[in-house]
Amino acid sequence: ETGVTQTPRHLVMGMTNKKSLKCEQHLGHNAMYWYKQSAKKPLELMFVYNFKEQTENNSVPSRFSPECPNSSHLFLHLHTLQPEDSALYLCASSQRGPGTSGGRETQYFGPGTRLLVL
Amino acid sequence: ILNVEQSPQSLHVQEGDSTNFTCSFPSSNFYALHWYRWETAKSPEALFVMTLNGDEKKKGRISATLNTKEGYSYLYIKGSQPEDSATYLCALSGRLVQGAQKLVFGQGTRLTINP
Repeated sequence: ETGVTQTPRHLVMGMTNKKSLKCEQHLGHNAMYWYKQSAKKPLELMFVYNFKEQTENNSVPSRFSPECPNSSHLFLHLHTLQPEDSALYLCASSQRGPGTSGGRETQYFGPGTRLLVL
Repeated sequence: ILNVEQSPQSLHVQEGDSTNFTCSFPSSNFYALHWYRWETAKSPEALFVMTLNGDEKKKGRISATLNTKEGYSYLYIKGSQPEDSATYLCALSGRLVQGAQKLVFGQGTRLTINP
């Protein structure tokens, strides 16, 4: 396995529900990411956190609210989602080591949470 | 805006045959290129990171080449086996965002090996 776990693996929720996705990395990485994959579309970056600070919000609607309490954990809080938000949500982490040129780091992915919004 | 194109979208290959597919990108925006292998219901698994024009990387029966001047990378699989069935993703690194990397993915090539 990659050292990145995600729970739950499957989630069904109504449009008025509030739920949270959890990601945990056991690799000691400093950066964590949320990606979304909708049907027949590429993986799309949603949020980036570096040392617990959000550094990127890729124009994601406010009904998706990320939280990064520490470098090992990342949450995605979901509230009043729409059926078109049904997708696979993937978490990833990476580490920029000393002497490594930025942009070449490998991102390690979790297996994803398959979300269905009814 | 980075745009990463992969072709073909899907591919069926007979076991034992060799195959290859393409990742195209705007050459002016190149920084690093990543190949991932993604089996159904599992995590995407990193295969290669490539940065230099003319780079060639190899991992077992899988290899990749990179041409940054013309904006493409090829992934080759020699002697395909059923366990090679997966979606192969190509991703480009853009600029760093405060120390964290930003990947732009292609749509993937879904490879099926027929026994």
